[in-house]
Amino acid sequence: AQSVTQLGSHVSVSEGALVLLRCNYSSSVPPYLFWYVQYPNQGLQLLLKYTTGATLVKGINGFEAEFKKSETSFHLTKPSAHMSDAAEYFCAVSKTGGFKTIFGAGTRLFVKA
Amino acid sequence: DGGITQSPKYLFRKEGQNVTLSCEQNLNHDAMYWYRQDPGQGLRLIYYSQIVNDFQKGDIAEGYSVSREKKESFPLTVTSAQKNPTAFYLCASQEPQINNQPQHFGDGTRLSIL
Repeated sequence: AQSVTQLGSHVSVSEGALVLLRCNYSSSVPPYLFWYVQYPNQGLQLLLKYTTGATLVKGINGFEAEFKKSETSFHLTKPSAHMSDAAEYFCAVSKTGGFKTIFGAGTRLFVKA
Repeated sequence: DGGITQSPKYLFRKEGQNVTLSCEQNLNHDAMYWYRQDPGQGLRLIYYSQIVNDFQKGDIAEGYSVSREKKESFPLTVTSAQKNPTAFYLCASQEPQINNQPQHFGDGTRLSIL
């Protein structure tokens, strides 16, 4: 069975500081991994995805994530936080041949001025 | 613009009442999903449909029902059997999973009890 663990339900950073949101997954087969962002009272928007190929994936708004198979991790980073990055972020895993995507519990990012 | 439209944005339910949440997509996607979102619990799958006239229960289907009579529409009914319906409900659609595509989400419906 697949599962996703996001470490830290809340993360707070100062504007301009590094953003690091942690995601670990478990999967019996090579996974497909996604990061989504959710702003208040809205649906989820795709930030980036990893399917195959290059393990460092770049997404929108300056975010990137690195797939590390040995660590079963897919952490999300951004070099310099902006106030507009304040939102909830979800890591998700799926696999080929299946119709389910498993979402983590989410990490709420706060950005301090 | 292609996308997913959920309506209404806010909905109130009285005791013993069934309510229906609408979800329409013009992305021509085969697969559609309903999720329930509660604070701190992420997204939990209620029902999903891979093709018209077919749907499957997700992890928390009790107290809910769906239909899929048209490709673009996947309404969710919250029945009176759902004793704790207060939540944010999200509808999503997707190209077939085999293509490794992400899910596309609507802006949600917030359901509350009167």
